Amino acid sequence: SQQGEEDPQALSIQEGENATMNCSYKTSINNLQWYRQNSGRGLVHLILIRSNEREKHSGRLRVTLDTSKKSSSLLITASRAADTASYFCATALSGGYNKLIFGAGTRLAVHP
Amino acid sequence: DTAVSQTPKYLVTQMGNDKSIKCEQNLGHDTMYWYKQDSKKFLKIMFSYNNKELIINETVPNRFSPKSPDKAHLNLHINSLELGDSAVYFCASSSDPEVYGYTFGSGTRLTVV
Repeated sequence: SQQGEEDPQALSIQEGENATMNCSYKTSINNLQWYRQNSGRGLVHLILIRSNEREKHSGRLRVTLDTSKKSSSLLITASRAADTASYFCATALSGGYNKLIFGAGTRLAVHP
Repeated sequence: DTAVSQTPKYLVTQMGNDKSIKCEQNLGHDTMYWYKQDSKKFLKIMFSYNNKELIINETVPNRFSPKSPDKAHLNLHINSLELGDSAVYFCASSSDPEVYGYTFGSGTRLTVV
């Protein structure tokens, strides 16, 4: 099964609202990353949070990490129509496995 | 200039054929990957190379063979294509996957008919 699982699977909001997506994982990690994928395109790296960090910001993005609960959340504030995309969390496993394990993604639709 | 480029972008082929997908990165990264994204958007790692050396080979049929002629290139050859191979294949690279994110190519949509 997937290491990471996003919740919700789909999210529909109005422009200007905040969007929150959650990710849960199963095993110990070095870091957790969030990616965006626009329809028909490749994935774009958004933000990386290390296992010893609890919160990180980048522009309108805020990521939290709770290693005790093995969960993370991505908050997009003041959403725009251009934020419409699928968002994936990915975990870099500890132990030098040198690979990212992706969740199933959250499809975000932001309506003008 | 494109950082990770894949060719072709689209590939339609018949069952049983052999095809190749090429990937090149100009970022100077040591590690390159192939991921497969199925119709439900699940992304699964297939292979990883570090400086031309195979370091990850997930449970992938032998019909799939990666080749890395140098650390800037990682190609994927698929023999005897099957209907179930239809997917989007993404190449990615990273300088240090435990510290930095991956840079992905735009994908190759493979359709086997």
